Amino acid sequence: DAGVIQSPRHEVTEMGQEVTLRCKPISGHDYLFWYRQTMMRGLELLIYFNNNVPIDDSGMPEDRFSAKMPNASFSTLKIQPSEPRDSAVYFCASSGIPLDREFHQPQHFGDGTRLSIL
Amino acid sequence: DAKTTQPPSMDCAEGRAANLPCNHSTISGNEYVYWYRQIHSQGPQYIIHGLKNNETNEMASLIITEDRKSSTLILPHATLRDTAVYYCIVRVGNTNAGKSTFGDGTTLTVKP
Repeated sequence: DAGVIQSPRHEVTEMGQEVTLRCKPISGHDYLFWYRQTMMRGLELLIYFNNNVPIDDSGMPEDRFSAKMPNASFSTLKIQPSEPRDSAVYFCASSGIPLDREFHQPQHFGDGTRLSIL
Repeated sequence: DAKTTQPPSMDCAEGRAANLPCNHSTISGNEYVYWYRQIHSQGPQYIIHGLKNNETNEMASLIITEDRKSSTLILPHATLRDTAVYYCIVRVGNTNAGKSTFGDGTTLTVKP
């Protein structure tokens, strides 16, 4: 089965440019998460969706960041304008299929997008 | 979600058992313990979870103390491919939120 698919795997761009990261969750999953990972701050949750609706965006650093989920199989994280401090690895994860009757749902992560803003 | 404390790093000899501890002294009655690991350049990978009973799957075993204030992840026969950062997470299990807070984790290095 295909896992969570993220694109691009690597992105290098200049400060001020718009950056769009893409994610395709596992089919049938109804939760989607965006994380950012840096050496200084570790793995941080930015935003998550349930059934395509944003539930908690309290981790989004500022208005330059926006995320959308137009349908169950696609999500984007956009940074406009980008800044050098946005350089990080961005992970997308999805969950939704219960492991057992108590509905424990581990998250399945993609391999991330390594973003470098020059 | 309750906070967890893990040692920053550990070493283990290849073929031996790796025992990774986690303290979660403020855990609530409805919070579960989850373990993930992150191999270099990859996304975190789910390993195992539990509430109060010991659990085992094809990847690892999870031992939770009776008072639930700490737990140990056991990799019974560590291989070089088990070198990774291991995260212990505590969160409410029977919700659909799935929201997890990852701490700094333990960097496990398996040596030949």
